[in-house]
Amino acid sequence: NAGVTQTPKFRVLKTGQSMTLLCAQDMNHEYMYWYRQDPGMGLRLIHYSVGEGTTAKGEVPDGYNVSRLKKQNFLLGLESAAPSQTSVYFCASSTRSDNYEQYFGPGTRLTVT
Amino acid sequence: DAKTTQPPSMDCAEGRAANLPCNHSTISGNEYVYWYRQIHSQGPQYIIHGLKNNETNEMASLIITEDRKSSTLILPHATLRDTAVYYCIVIPRNNNDMRFGAGTRLTVKP
Repeated sequence: NAGVTQTPKFRVLKTGQSMTLLCAQDMNHEYMYWYRQDPGMGLRLIHYSVGEGTTAKGEVPDGYNVSRLKKQNFLLGLESAAPSQTSVYFCASSTRSDNYEQYFGPGTRLTVT
Repeated sequence: DAKTTQPPSMDCAEGRAANLPCNHSTISGNEYVYWYRQIHSQGPQYIIHGLKNNETNEMASLIITEDRKSSTLILPHATLRDTAVYYCIVIPRNNNDMRFGAGTRLTVKP
């Protein structure tokens, strides 16, 4: 099992550009999450999904959109990147909502100039 | 949601037990205590969780006080590879918004 994988690992964007981050998991987990981590801070939840075709907002959803067309994939989109979105983005998955044993991917380091 | 308070940093000698405290004085009856750690810049790793009883697994032990207002994560024989930021998280059942605070930076020294 690869667990949770994220693509790309690094990316530099100019302000106003768009991009999509891909998260994939091969553990047949129902729940998937996107977090961001700014320097020296803990993780903050952006959006999450409780199953294929469903998404919900987390603590800091503004400026991001997500889609879960397939159970194993969770996409995070930035339509018009801003310098404030410079961060490390982590994806995670878990089996169900009352089990917070989340499995995290290695992260995507995004810089917006 | 209950807030947690953790010391910003701690040191531990290699081979000794590392005891990481967490204060969650406003915890509610249906809220669990979870511990994660983040080694360097990797994704966080689940360690252990509990509701009111003490818990032990292959990685650590979790001691929760009887009034549930605080807990301690114990790494029984710390190694250099346990150097990481440790997060104590309190979250109600069926709530998907897990909040990570600043955590405790544990440094294990030889």
